[in-house]
Amino acid sequence: QVQLVQSGAEVKKPGASVKVSCKASGYTFTSYYMYWVRQAPGQGLEWMGVINPSGESTTYAQKFEGRVTMTRDTSTSTLYMELSSLRSEDTAVYYCARDSTVANTFSFNYWGQGTLVTVSS
Amino acid sequence: QSALTQPPSASGSPGQSVTISCTGTSSDVGAYNYVSWYQQHPGKAPKLMIYEVNKRPSGVPNRFSGSKSGNTASLTVSGLQAEDEADYYCNSYAGSNNLVFGGGTKLTVL
Repeated sequence: QVQLVQSGAEVKKPGASVKVSCKASGYTFTSYYMYWVRQAPGQGLEWMGVINPSGESTTYAQKFEGRVTMTRDTSTSTLYMELSSLRSEDTAVYYCARDSTVANTFSFNYWGQGTLVTVSS
Repeated sequence: QSALTQPPSASGSPGQSVTISCTGTSSDVGAYNYVSWYQQHPGKAPKLMIYEVNKRPSGVPNRFSGSKSGNTASLTVSGLQAEDEADYYCNSYAGSNNLVFGGGTKLTVL
């Protein structure tokens, strides 16, 4: 069965960076686009970016351009999202998610369990 | 991109139908048939309910349906059940590999 297992909760100080991992299993990792979505406490979902199946191409939401880096390690079927220059407003649950089909439908039918990142001095 | 517009809340009694709207622009919802809907219960990850405007993933009850007219997409839940009470989010492709979410709608089953 498809599983996306994310790394554990993080507490960071303002200005620091955080790197969240998402280990995939149960499907061919190199066949699907992968996404990152975050959700601040009590707030809605926010799309952060997408990485293509090979990991050679990424697109980031304009809001995060210059601060976010998404990578994928095909040897370990693991996805990574690094966010730098953290500020308190980055406190959120960060989710990785997989596209519904290999054709890239821009919809997410498998999600990680979420990783809480808390930014506090 | 600006967020898609959803009503903050919606409600209905068990057995009734409720429709949640998701309004975008001619650059996102109106331009592409890549509108998705997600259900999220408190403390849980979102669950895909509808993709490509009106397609249901395997396992999603046919009580859930999607449609689109112009720049507005809609999710209809028929035969409301208590377990349908949750937050619902739409999202749409906005071109150049960009996506945008709606602000979310809290559905209450009275």
